[in-house]
Amino acid sequence: DQQVKQNSPSLSVQEGRISILNCDYTNSMFDYFLWYKKYPAEGPTYLISISSIKDKNEDGRFTVFLNKSAKHLSLHIVPSQPGDSAVYFCAASLMNYGGSQGNLIFGKGTKLSVKP
Amino acid sequence: NAGVTQTPKFQVLKTGQSMTLQCAQDMNHNSMYWYRQDPGMGLRLIYYSASEGTTDKGEVPNGYNVSRLNKREFSLRLESAAPSQTSVYFCASLWREGFNEQFFGPGTRLTVL
Repeated sequence: DQQVKQNSPSLSVQEGRISILNCDYTNSMFDYFLWYKKYPAEGPTYLISISSIKDKNEDGRFTVFLNKSAKHLSLHIVPSQPGDSAVYFCAASLMNYGGSQGNLIFGKGTKLSVKP
Repeated sequence: NAGVTQTPKFQVLKTGQSMTLQCAQDMNHNSMYWYRQDPGMGLRLIYYSASEGTTDKGEVPNGYNVSRLNKREFSLRLESAAPSQTSVYFCASLWREGFNEQFFGPGTRLTVL
């Protein structure tokens, strides 16, 4: 059973507009969430994260929002640029646990295309 | 600083052959991980090593073995490759202790015929 779900396999937006990528999770014990960006033929790159004690974290053009009651998080990119075109993975973990419980659980990814 | 390096970048095997995927990091990280990524799937954890000398199974360990040779190196071995192991393999190390931010290598694309 998938604990982290990204229900949109792809998203296309115009340059300069906002991109919103969504992620849902089922395990209410998750307390740390991350977004990774992946270009073809490269490894995933850490983008931004949020602890469950917060509902928003911002870093430049990237903002992650967390709605714990809905078990939902989203990544906003404003303004979107063609270089943002990549696959975005949502991941969740149990930060305060050791061993396997502290490992990352990834969603299947959303492919973002930003058109000039 | 090379970060996380993986060798080889590409490999083609025949069913039943064995091989070892190599991973090294130069960031003095304690924890290292092996993932596989299949089309339309997220990254799935194969094995991890929380510290030098320890290894543990992840979500999909069957058909694989690992060795944490020292703090820098973490290798993944396929003893008898199967077509189901055709995938892209990523090695990662833990970037920031306590925050689970992992730093990934460039990947090894493996095809098993």
